[in-house]
Amino acid sequence: EPEVTQTPSHQVTQMGQEVILRCVPISNHLYFYWYRQILGQKVEFLVSFYNNEISEKSEIFDDQFSVERPDGSNFTLKIRSTKLEDSAMYFCAVGAEVNQPQHFGDGTRLSIL
Amino acid sequence: AQSVTQLDSQVPVFEEAPVELRCNYSSSVSVYLFWYVQYPNQGLQLLLKYLSGSTLVKGINGFEAEFNKSQTSFHLRKPSVHISDTAEYFCAVKGNFGNEKLTFGTGTRLTIIP
Repeated sequence: EPEVTQTPSHQVTQMGQEVILRCVPISNHLYFYWYRQILGQKVEFLVSFYNNEISEKSEIFDDQFSVERPDGSNFTLKIRSTKLEDSAMYFCAVGAEVNQPQHFGDGTRLSIL
Repeated sequence: AQSVTQLDSQVPVFEEAPVELRCNYSSSVSVYLFWYVQYPNQGLQLLLKYLSGSTLVKGINGFEAEFNKSQTSFHLRKPSVHISDTAEYFCAVKGNFGNEKLTFGTGTRLTIIP
């Protein structure tokens, strides 16, 4: 059983529209992360989330981005007004302890038209 | 802050031959080190990790890696590769305190030649 499930697997959206990417971890994880991978490039950190608040965010994670755990299970990434350069694979990752590996979902491929 | 260098962007290897994928890191603090594998059109799967203890760590699918603190390296090795090892391999590092993010290298595409 995977540690985390991401939906949708592929999202196509018009530029300027809002998107919400979802991540459902199994229950014993405390630490949550979003990363992205632009086609052909390395995986980049976006944001980490612990105890219902952001722990750290990168400079990529600007005011257009937000995260939340609305119901204590789903962990979502929202992009308010998408840009062409937001096209990427977005990965959710989870961890049970700070000294343990992060486990990644299969990703959501976001395509902005 | 940490950084990771994977000098080899592509490595072609004949089936059943050995392989080494190189990873060097930079950090001002002690670190944890990881190798992740990404098969085509899939997510990132943990291959192996170094947290503490023995510097030689073994992972899934017959891979192993050796942590060398003096050379700040964490090279990945396999004595005999298989066609199914064709994938992108990412080395990653994080500081060993707090809720640290992972910093990834640019990846090495391993291609197995039949």
